[in-house]
Amino acid sequence: EVQLVQSGPVLKKPGQSLRISCTASGYTFRSHWIAWVRQMPGKGLEWMGSVYGGDSEARYSPSFEGQVTISADNSINTAYIQWRSLKDSDTAVYYCARFDVRGYQYAAFDFWGQGTLVTVSS
Amino acid sequence: EIVLTQSPGTLSLSPGERATLSCRASQNVNSRYIAWYQQRNGQPPRLLIYGESIRATGVPDRFRASGSGTDFTLSITRLEADDFAVYYCHQYGTSRRWDTFGQGTKLEIK
Repeated sequence: EVQLVQSGPVLKKPGQSLRISCTASGYTFRSHWIAWVRQMPGKGLEWMGSVYGGDSEARYSPSFEGQVTISADNSINTAYIQWRSLKDSDTAVYYCARFDVRGYQYAAFDFWGQGTLVTVSS
Repeated sequence: EIVLTQSPGTLSLSPGERATLSCRASQNVNSRYIAWYQQRNGQPPRLLIYGESIRATGVPDRFRASGSGTDFTLSITRLEADDFAVYYCHQYGTSRRWDTFGQGTKLEIK
């Protein structure tokens, strides 16, 4: 059974750094991309970027490039997203999701983590 | 960058009715790279349909997707209580390998 388990909720102050994690099981981590998706309070889903479990190649949405760093450690089947300096506006739920793509047939986020609530407040 | 615009923003219907949700892309996209998700309150999104019209495991055949080019539709027949949620379309762009979500349609009980 595919599972993505995310780290727990966090409360941080503006300017602090943060790394949250997403640990995968039930499939070959190295064979898939893992995406990070932001959902601000009461808002929709925003794709932030994705990392490939095989070689840690990362690709970013233009809206988030330079704002976060996405990485993976395939020795422990875990993907990460990190911030160097948080802002109030980073307050959101962050989801990881497995990206399943089969060339010319389909591409979708087929399994999702439970979400990590990040609250940034002074 | 491709923008997905969903309409309506909110759809108010009664159980048993049929829902039609629209997702319009700012330029032509490959329908095989369009997917639809359901998000119930307080839960992570759930994949419903992908690859043009493939239903994810456990999704009833009351859910159907169609469309091509720039216009895509999710149809839900015989609405049940569990169907009232927010629905998102998603597109994977192969040229730049960027993913995009629509802003969502909230399906609420009338």
